[in-house]
Amino acid sequence: AQSVTQLDSHVSVSEGTPVLLRCNYSSSYSPSLFWYVQHPNKGLQLLLKYTSAATLVKGINGFEAEFKKSETSFHLTKPSAHMSDAAEYFCVVSEDNYGQNFVFGPGTRLSVLP
Amino acid sequence: DGGITQSPKYLFRKEGQNVTLSCEQNLNHDAMYWYRQDPGQGLRLIYYSQIVNDFQKGDIAEGYSVSREKKESFPLTVTSAQKNPTAFYLCASSIGGRITDTQYFGPGTRLTVL
Repeated sequence: AQSVTQLDSHVSVSEGTPVLLRCNYSSSYSPSLFWYVQHPNKGLQLLLKYTSAATLVKGINGFEAEFKKSETSFHLTKPSAHMSDAAEYFCVVSEDNYGQNFVFGPGTRLSVLP
Repeated sequence: DGGITQSPKYLFRKEGQNVTLSCEQNLNHDAMYWYRQDPGQGLRLIYYSQIVNDFQKGDIAEGYSVSREKKESFPLTVTSAQKNPTAFYLCASSIGGRITDTQYFGPGTRLTVL
């Protein structure tokens, strides 16, 4: 069965500095991987997804993530943080065809300091 | 505009009462999902439905019930049997249930039991 670990429950960066949110997964097969963002009291918005094509995936708002099979990682990065990036970020692994295919990590809260 | 709507945004319930949360989508998606979100736990799957008139239990289905009489609608009933119903509930849909299918989320309903 698949699982997701987000190594940091809270990350704090200064505006204009790089962002790194870490995600490691466990999967028996070739998974699909997603990053979602959630602003307070809102639904989730897809940032980017990996589905066995290019290992470096570019998403919205300047975010990108790199799939590293040898490290079972899918870390999310952004070169320069903006105040509007402050939110909760969820890494998701999808493995099984049909049904209960999305497994969410516990989330990482990103704070951006002025 | 296509999307997923959830109503109400905030809901209050007395102990012992059943309450139904609405989820409607006009994306023509076959699959729909209900998740529960608690602080620090990511999202946990309650129920999912791949097609009309069919649905399956997720990881935490006890105390909840659903129906899928129409493709665009997937209401969730929180029954009095649910021991700790106060949470944020998110509905999602996807084109199908394949591992590569992105799930699109509604804005959520925050349920508080008084």
